[in-house]
Amino acid sequence: DGGITQSPKYLFRKEGQNVTLSCEQNLNHDAMYWYRQDPGQGLRLIYYSQIVNDFQKGDIAEGYSVSREKKESFPLTVTSAQKNPTAFYLCASSPLTALNQPQHFGDGTRLSIL
Amino acid sequence: AQSVTQLGSHVSVSEGALVLLRCNYSSSVPPYLFWYVQYPNQGLQLLLKYTTGATLVKGINGFEAEFKKSETSFHLTKPSAHMSDAAEYFCAVSDRDDKIIFGKGTRLHILP
Repeated sequence: DGGITQSPKYLFRKEGQNVTLSCEQNLNHDAMYWYRQDPGQGLRLIYYSQIVNDFQKGDIAEGYSVSREKKESFPLTVTSAQKNPTAFYLCASSPLTALNQPQHFGDGTRLSIL
Repeated sequence: AQSVTQLGSHVSVSEGALVLLRCNYSSSVPPYLFWYVQYPNQGLQLLLKYTTGATLVKGINGFEAEFKKSETSFHLTKPSAHMSDAAEYFCAVSDRDDKIIFGKGTRLHILP
């Protein structure tokens, strides 16, 4: 079955540590997205990529980094510069050329600070 | 810039009663509109979408929404609530850059 796989489901970070969240899709979608979800704040866009080797900052990119070396993979690194990283992180994908196509979501990674 | 407002961060209805979740948007161009549902510790699932054509859109699990351009609204309804409908619901609008803008969500509680 086609879909988006995020791993791990739960992740713990120590102060000053970088951590990487994995996102893999087998839907052959061009566009991929990372969102951060906090209670009562909905989804906020961190980074997105429309093509391999290219990505753009979203609304809250500070303290995060991404790469897009393969079409099916879009890992997110939460760096030590992100002072409040505790949140639920969602990865999504969509076909590039169709604005009316909805995004498909993974099941998320919950990041907590030790 | 486009935006989405969901009225009510929490809504409670009795089992079997009508569900109404409100969504208003702002857009300078004809929008594409979506409703998503999220169950605890899961990603978002698409309930329904409006692109063009019929303004009353039917989705999964008995939900439907009506696009009203004059009111800039896209409210989500279901005639009879079920306990399994308890979840968080997000309204979203698509802008020209292929990004989807999400509302802050409405948590639906079903009372027995």
